[in-house]
Order: sequence, then C-alpha cells, then structure tokens
Amino acid sequence: AQSVAQPEDQVNVAEGNPLTVKCTYSVSGNPYLFWYVQYPNRGLQFLLKYITGDNLVKGSYGFEAEFNKSQTSFHLKKPSALVSDSALYFCAVREYSSASKIIFGSGTRLSIRP
Amino acid sequence: NAGVTQTPKFRILKIGQSMTLQCTQDMNHNYMYWYRQDPGMGLKLIYYSVGAGITDKGEVPNGYNVSRSTTEDFPLRLELAAPSQTSVYFCASMDGLNTEAFFGQGTRLTVV
Repeated sequence: AQSVAQPEDQVNVAEGNPLTVKCTYSVSGNPYLFWYVQYPNRGLQFLLKYITGDNLVKGSYGFEAEFNKSQTSFHLKKPSALVSDSALYFCAVREYSSASKIIFGSGTRLSIRP
Repeated sequence: NAGVTQTPKFRILKIGQSMTLQCTQDMNHNYMYWYRQDPGMGLKLIYYSVGAGITDKGEVPNGYNVSRSTTEDFPLRLELAAPSQTSVYFCASMDGLNTEAFFGQGTRLTVV
C-alpha cells in the first residue's frame, strides 16, 4: 500500500533564508508526487507535481521540489522564504499502477518569521 | 467555472442524526474524492470514485456511504452521526491520471 511521511510537524525559518519541507514516500511502483498548500480556513491549493522527466520540478510562488528515487523523497524547497509562505503544506502520492487513490501526508506547518 | 463546490460550509449534528454532505464539480472530471481532516492527522481518504456508477473505499470508510449517479455530483452520507466524525470534510476532483486534484472549500462538521 502507498504511504507518505512528513517527518516534521513544524518548520521555522527566518524571512529571506532558504526553506526545506521534507517528504518521503512508499509505493510499489512508479509514483506520482504532489505538494499542496493550505491557508487557514481554506481548501488545499496545488503547488507542483512530479509525474516523469526532470527530477527538479518548479511550481507556484517560487517553490520547487526534487524527486530522489533512491531515497524515495520529494522535498519541497524555496531559495528565499517570505512571511506570506507561512501555511500548512501537504505532500501526496499516487501510484502509477493504481492511479486512482491519492494519499496525503500528515502535513507540515511552515512558519516564517520577519 | 465554479470548480468544486461543497455545501453546507458548517453544520452541527446531534449524535445519531444523519446528513448528506454535497459535492458538485463543473469541470467534467471523472475522478472524485472525499477526505476528512483532523488536527495533526493530515487528510484521510474516505471514499473515491473513478466515474459515474463506480465507487470504492479509501482509508477510513466506516460510518460513511457515497453514491455517484452523475459525473458532476458525489454526495457523502453519514447515517448515524458519532462524535468521532467531528472533522473538516473536503471533496476533490481530478481530470486524468497525469493531473492534480482540485479541492472544495470544505465542510466543518461538529457532532454533539
């Protein structure tokens, strides 16, 4: 069965510094990987995805993520954090062979201090 | 396009009552999902559907039922509400296998 782990409940970063939000996954076949962001009292918004091709994918708001097959990771990164990046971030995975189910991680709260 | 629309936004139920959470999408997506979000627990998949007339259980289906009679609608039914079903419920839809899911704004349900 597929699963996703986000090992950090909270990440704190100073504005202007680089940020990383970690995600590891487990699937039996090739994965489809996603990052979503949730602002207070809102639904989830799509940030970026990895389907195939380049391991480094770029998404909305200056975020990017690197797919690492050997480490089964898909960490979210941004070179320079903004206070407005403060939100709840979710990693999600879907198996290529059973592409219907989308399974989410437990979420990481990102807090950017001025 | 309105996207994914969920109603109601808020609801308080008494133990043992029943209700239906409505979800409609206007994007002609085949795939639809119901998740619940509990604090610190992330999103758990309740049920999903790959097309009209086809539904399947997710990670936490007990206490819920779904139907998919049309492409647009995917209602979630709670037959006998329990306090453990207090949560925020999200509906989502997806076009195809290489695409991302679009989420509704959520329904906050409290069972007392």
